[in-house]
Amino acid sequence: KNQVEQSPQSLIILEGKNCTLQCNYTVSPFSNLRWYKQDTGRGPVSLTIMTFSENTKSNGRYTATLDADTKQSSLHITASQLSDSASYICVVSDYKLSFGAGTTVTVRA
Amino acid sequence: EAGVAQSPRYKIIEKRQSVAFWCNPISGHATLYWYQQILGQGPKLLIQFQNNGVVDDSQLPKDRFSAERLKGVDSTLKIQPAKLEDSAVYLCASSLGTWQPNTGELFFGEGSRLTVL
Repeated sequence: KNQVEQSPQSLIILEGKNCTLQCNYTVSPFSNLRWYKQDTGRGPVSLTIMTFSENTKSNGRYTATLDADTKQSSLHITASQLSDSASYICVVSDYKLSFGAGTTVTVRA
Repeated sequence: EAGVAQSPRYKIIEKRQSVAFWCNPISGHATLYWYQQILGQGPKLLIQFQNNGVVDDSQLPKDRFSAERLKGVDSTLKIQPAKLEDSAVYLCASSLGTWQPNTGELFFGEGSRLTVL
């Protein structure tokens, strides 16, 4: 069964600090890996989508990395802002989309 | 460009009642998905349409859930009768992809939050 495991489950950081979220997957064969941001009460919004050949992709203060050999991805948030408080979901695709449970990030002033 | 529209945003019903959710995808998007998201979990696929045909409904509880996408555009998801464990957010998403529907960018609606009492 294809699985996507995210860690930590939740974290709290101070405004202005950096943090890194982890995603490990067993999905095979691999097509692409996506990171989504989901604000409370809203639908997920795409941050990045990476194919097998890409190992880094940035979207503003968000940088995703991918190691297809070890089947790991990370999402790094730089200089966090209060608006970064959200759930971040890792999604891995073969011919289906497999969703992780998400990491809840709380940014405090 | 208009996003994925869903309604209603919130619905409260008693168990054994029925409920229907509506989704209008982004214009031109061939693939439409319905997901169930229980609090604290990632979305779980209920059904995937490509145009007006069903691609995957393997996790749809067919004894109580039904979905249709007439004319390959908007879609409705119905639950009848509802159970307490159906309390969740029902997310609709769409993507442009046709030949390889799972490689395209996925756009989600705001979701419909269902509470079953």
